[in-house]
Amino acid sequence: EPEVTQTPSHQVTQMGQEVILRCVPISNHLYFYWYRQILGQKVEFLVSFYNNEISEKSEIFDDQFSVERPDGSNFTLKIRSTKLEDSAMYFCASSMGTTGANVLTFGAGSRLTVL
Amino acid sequence: AQSVTQLDSQVPVFEEAPVELRCNYSSSVSVYLFWYVQYPNQGLQLLLKYLSGSTLVKGINGFEAEFNKSQTSFHLRKPSVHISDTAEYFCAVSHSGGYQKVTFGTGTKLQVIP
Repeated sequence: EPEVTQTPSHQVTQMGQEVILRCVPISNHLYFYWYRQILGQKVEFLVSFYNNEISEKSEIFDDQFSVERPDGSNFTLKIRSTKLEDSAMYFCASSMGTTGANVLTFGAGSRLTVL
Repeated sequence: AQSVTQLDSQVPVFEEAPVELRCNYSSSVSVYLFWYVQYPNQGLQLLLKYLSGSTLVKGINGFEAEFNKSQTSFHLRKPSVHISDTAEYFCAVSHSGGYQKVTFGTGTKLQVIP
């Protein structure tokens, strides 16, 4: 069964450092997403990406965040200068996004710990 | 904008007992509804979805959910739980029609007691 893969599974970084989280979505999917889950809290939408541009973003997704699809297969989330409150599990997801339900397939997540 | 409310943050239940996890949604337009499960230290896995048609939908691992438009609910049920069902369950909603952002509830931790 096709799956979304994320790397790294866990990253520890110092506050102020840049972090790049990587995702390989399912190959025939058209929409890509990043969600965040702070420990013990709900899964929060960060951003969606379609046709090489951001289609929607939340208020969490400020100027410190950026996304990119650099090579047609990877989908990355960059946090330019990490803060303590960026510590969370980050989930990548992808979907067909065509007519019918937008069913997301999630990766296993990347746990980010900011010290 | 759509939203989801999961009133129960934790639900303890004995093994082989039935369980119901409650979910209510709010939206001014037609919706699609989902339940996702997250096992400890794992990602989110789709359990089942309601798109249209029959209001009773069946998912993996013996779970089912019923869409009730008048009560704006989409409760998840299982007639007999197993230890392996211990996980966190998230109800989610999106507006219907092609791409739409999926919004998650706060989750319900199901703890199955042997």
